[in-house]
Amino acid sequence: AQTVTQSQPEMSVQEAETVTLSCTYDTSESNYYLFWYKQPPSRQMILVIRQEAYKQQNATENRFSVNFQKAAKSFSLKISDSQLGDTAMYFCAFMKAGNTGKLIFGQGTTLQVKP
Amino acid sequence: DTAVSQTPKYLVTQMGNDKSIKCEQNLGHDTMYWYKQDSKKFLKIMFSYNNKELIINETVPNRFSPKSPDKAHLNLHINSLELGDSAVYFCASSQGKKATQFFGPGTRLTVL
Repeated sequence: AQTVTQSQPEMSVQEAETVTLSCTYDTSESNYYLFWYKQPPSRQMILVIRQEAYKQQNATENRFSVNFQKAAKSFSLKISDSQLGDTAMYFCAFMKAGNTGKLIFGQGTTLQVKP
Repeated sequence: DTAVSQTPKYLVTQMGNDKSIKCEQNLGHDTMYWYKQDSKKFLKIMFSYNNKELIINETVPNRFSPKSPDKAHLNLHINSLELGDSAVYFCASSQGKKATQFFGPGTRLTVL
């Protein structure tokens, strides 16, 4: 069975600085997808970034980028130029490239951006 | 122009009651999901439908019954509510089973 682990329950960063959130996963699959979702206090789940395991290039979306290390089964999220609006809970998630679309989530990391 | 909507957003009810949560998506997606987020914020999938066919049915009490009248709707009916059912329930949708899932705003269910 696949598992996703986020070892940092809480983190904080000063506005405009850079922060990295960690995620590791365990799977015997070779083809899968990884995601980071953001959940602000509004409760809405918002997709931040998606990575296909077969792609060696790390995904980027504006200030958000990932460091995908397939051999190490690591998928960290880097947020550059942190903004107050980045304050949220961040979830790492895994999806096997099968035929169900089942997302397996980590425990989440609460990020506080301080002015 | 909400993409994935859920009603109601908040639901407070007594133990033993039966309640339903409705989900609608206007994205034209063919796959819909129900997730449960517990008090510790842990998210876990409950059900998934693809083209109105049930494809995921996790270990969930049979008091929970999903229904998909068409591809744009997925409802969740809960019988004989228990205190432990208190949680936030999220609906999500995607185009295909490998695509990115888009989430609704969630329904906070409180069982007293």
